[in-house]
Amino acid sequence: QVQLVQSGAEVKKPGASVKVSCKASGYTFANHYIHWVRQAPGQGLEWMGLINPGGSTGYAQRFQGRVTMTRDTSTSTFYMELNGLTLEDTAVYYCARVDRSAASHLDYWGQGTLVTVSS
Amino acid sequence: DIQMTQSPSSLSASVGDRVTITCRASQSVSIYLNWYQQKPGKAPELLIYGASSLQSGVPSRFSASGSGTDFTLTLSSLHPEDFATYYCQQSYRTPWTFGQGTKVEIK
Repeated sequence: QVQLVQSGAEVKKPGASVKVSCKASGYTFANHYIHWVRQAPGQGLEWMGLINPGGSTGYAQRFQGRVTMTRDTSTSTFYMELNGLTLEDTAVYYCARVDRSAASHLDYWGQGTLVTVSS
Repeated sequence: DIQMTQSPSSLSASVGDRVTITCRASQSVSIYLNWYQQKPGKAPELLIYGASSLQSGVPSRFSASGSGTDFTLTLSSLHPEDFATYYCQQSYRTPWTFGQGTKVEIK
């Protein structure tokens, strides 16, 4: 079955960086894009960006210059690194797979990774 | 960016009630509109894609319609497990954007 398993919770200080991983299994890695979405405590969902299996990326404007999305094809793992953390980056970060047929919806999600930024 | 606006932001309903949530896009998104359900402490789950297609495994009491800028999600008869927050999301153009969510609570 399709699974996206994310790395564990992180606590970081302001100004630090965090790198969240998302290991894919149960499907052909090369056939699906991965998107990253975050959710601040008690808030809605915010789209951060995407990466395709070839490694091409697209980021939301507000994260440009601060986020890097990568993938390791040998381990079927995707990564999202966010630099220059502020208190406002405290959130649960999700990876999610895009369906292959219409490439228009997120059909499987990781369990989420809580990143807490605190001084 | 395309803005997505849901209404209401929250509602109270009873088991068995019919519930409708609306989502409006700031510009046409054709049928590139999806609905997700999220329960506390859990990742969102896809309910509806392409404005009206039911995701595999989702109960038929969920339905949706719309195109262009106006969309609706309907729950024909609320079950206890349907109390959750619902989000619309457009995938017509990046950045993909979500509505602010509609929390369905027990009356």
